[in-house]
Amino acid sequence: ETGVTQTPRHLVMGMTNKKSLKCEQHLGHNAMYWYKQSAKKPLELMFVYNFKEQTENNSVPSRFSPECPNSSHLFLHLHTLQPEDSALYLCASRSGRLTGELFFGEGSRLTVL
Amino acid sequence: TQLLEQSPQFLSIQEGENLTVYCNSSSVFSSLQWYRQEPGEGPVLLVTVVTGGEVKKLKRLTFQFGDARKDSSLHITAAQPGDTGLYLCAGADNAGNMLTFGGGTRLMVKP
Repeated sequence: ETGVTQTPRHLVMGMTNKKSLKCEQHLGHNAMYWYKQSAKKPLELMFVYNFKEQTENNSVPSRFSPECPNSSHLFLHLHTLQPEDSALYLCASRSGRLTGELFFGEGSRLTVL
Repeated sequence: TQLLEQSPQFLSIQEGENLTVYCNSSSVFSSLQWYRQEPGEGPVLLVTVVTGGEVKKLKRLTFQFGDARKDSSLHITAAQPGDTGLYLCAGADNAGNMLTFGGGTRLMVKP
């Protein structure tokens, strides 16, 4: 138990569907991240939120839309995805220490048909 | 862009063997972290090293940060099947805001 909870753990969706991934952290951190993890690729940073404000958008296609209503919750809204978007999507919160350790959720495994 | 290269990418060994995983960069990092990710889970922080030349031990795992803070190594003594997983290194910038992740080393320890 890392203090970061992601739902759903598994999601299968068609290319025309709209779905959302949810992340909640109980660690009192102020920064939250979305990462994409594909097979045989390094972790790809997608979005960073600090104090509910988006501070990083790593050239992510607009079919991925993040939302951060407060420092404890982070969403990733998905629409008209492509099969190549199938991956493990990881949410993380960052400690307030200068070394910036990340605490990850267990991930949401997404399959786009 | 700061890049971190990990080697080897894959490692399959027998229980009881020793191994070393490397994490190299041409960039200087203010700190470096090691994570382990087991199948079906998210990465979990193992250790953070901050000072050049620093050595930290976590049971059978020994982590070292290079003197110039550009590289790091993870040495596992007498590996066990429970050590199986993906080992990721990540370097932090001066503000600790951004982490650059290496490509990972996938370790399998056979009983």
